[in-house]
Amino acid sequence: EIVMTQSPATLSVSPGERATLSCRASQTIGNNLAWYQQIPGQAPRLLISGASTRATGIPARFSGSGSGTEFTLTISSLQSEDFALYYCQQYNNWLTWTFGQGTKVEIK
Amino acid sequence: EVQLVQSGAEVRKPGESLKISCKGSGYSFTNYWIGWVRQMPGKGLEWLGIIYPRDSDTRYNPSFQGQVTISADRSINTAYLQWSSLKSSDTAMYYCARLVVVAAGFFDLWGRGTQVTVAS
Repeated sequence: EIVMTQSPATLSVSPGERATLSCRASQTIGNNLAWYQQIPGQAPRLLISGASTRATGIPARFSGSGSGTEFTLTISSLQSEDFALYYCQQYNNWLTWTFGQGTKVEIK
Repeated sequence: EVQLVQSGAEVRKPGESLKISCKGSGYSFTNYWIGWVRQMPGKGLEWLGIIYPRDSDTRYNPSFQGQVTISADRSINTAYLQWSSLKSSDTAMYYCARLVVVAAGFFDLWGRGTQVTVAS
């Protein structure tokens, strides 16, 4: 099983600042990585697929990068609605999807 | 509107059975796999299994094989997740999600979740 490790577990950021979230895969996955946002009490929402392609309707302040085993989600200027949980998911092989344990972005 | 609408919260006792649902609308339901994802209290996301509503081809996460049953009724654009004998450890939020099969697939559309509580 490919283990996805996200860091940090919690990120304290002030509104308007940049947030950088990391996700590491235990083995190489190419660019087969997705990022999801989960606001408490709501369903997850797809932000990024293919490591860097924003989903429909996702603001340009969200960007993804990386390949192989190291990935980053950057939120360039945090808005109030961005304080949430963020999960990465690898989809390198059929029926073996795994998620990271999540990073909570909280207001500093 | 493209959406997945899940059935409401459920409370059951250990040993009871349960079937929850996920109805798709606004897109061709039979052209996409539907997955079920579990989120236990305060925890992350785990996929339980997927189903292709066109022919009910079903695949399970080995960790959940035999623990749950996934089915679908394409005539009403609905997928189901069921338990024959619930345990307290089944207490969780359950999401259905549409799988986009690019490479091995990611989930691009999610339902709002069904809270399942199992307590005596």
